Amino acid sequence: NAGVTQTPKFQVLKTGQSMTLQCAQDMNHEYMSWYRQDPGMGLRLIHYSVGAGITDQGEVPNGYNVSRSTTEDFPLRLLSAAPSQTSVYFCASSWGPGGKYGYTFGSGTRLTVV
Amino acid sequence: GNSVTQMEGPVTLSEEAFLTINCTYTATGYPSLFWYVQYPGEGLQLLLKATKADDKGSNKGFEATYRKETTSFHLEKGSVQVSDSAVYFCAPNSGYALNFGKGTSLLVTP
Repeated sequence: NAGVTQTPKFQVLKTGQSMTLQCAQDMNHEYMSWYRQDPGMGLRLIHYSVGAGITDQGEVPNGYNVSRSTTEDFPLRLLSAAPSQTSVYFCASSWGPGGKYGYTFGSGTRLTVV
Repeated sequence: GNSVTQMEGPVTLSEEAFLTINCTYTATGYPSLFWYVQYPGEGLQLLLKATKADDKGSNKGFEATYRKETTSFHLEKGSVQVSDSAVYFCAPNSGYALNFGKGTSLLVTP
């Protein structure tokens, strides 16, 4: 049982490049979400999904795109990378009605945009 | 949506000291409440949770009680260890994702 798997662990991009951060869970959780962590800011919600085919924006969605074609996968796409997107990105999945009982996090992707 | 106010760090304590990290939140309804911990260079781990009013979550000597009347979920530990040095996040559940406080950095010195 792998839990939540994020790839890659580290990535360096040039400004304007695009890429996809992968997130997969094997726990059959309905809810999945993406966060970014910046110093002094805590974690902020980028996008979330309440089930396959259903996604919505969080607090800081600009510059990011998501889709949820299967229960297991929830990739995050950076459309045109900017230095302001340098951050650590975490994916989470949750169980219980509305995520009531807890969230499991991946190990994170450290992204640097130069 | 929910918002979270968490005491600012860093907090520096000597080993075996008593720890309190305050957390208050605003929310519609009665969300589940969580404390997550992040050790240096690592991801987030669930420390403890409470799913309804007056519940007490506990784990590894840490405790927090869901106080509906004061909308608070303060984290306590009676005797901290050097290995407790980490960043602690209070996080109410919004019904589809977590709302995080800014985190409190704790350093425990021998």
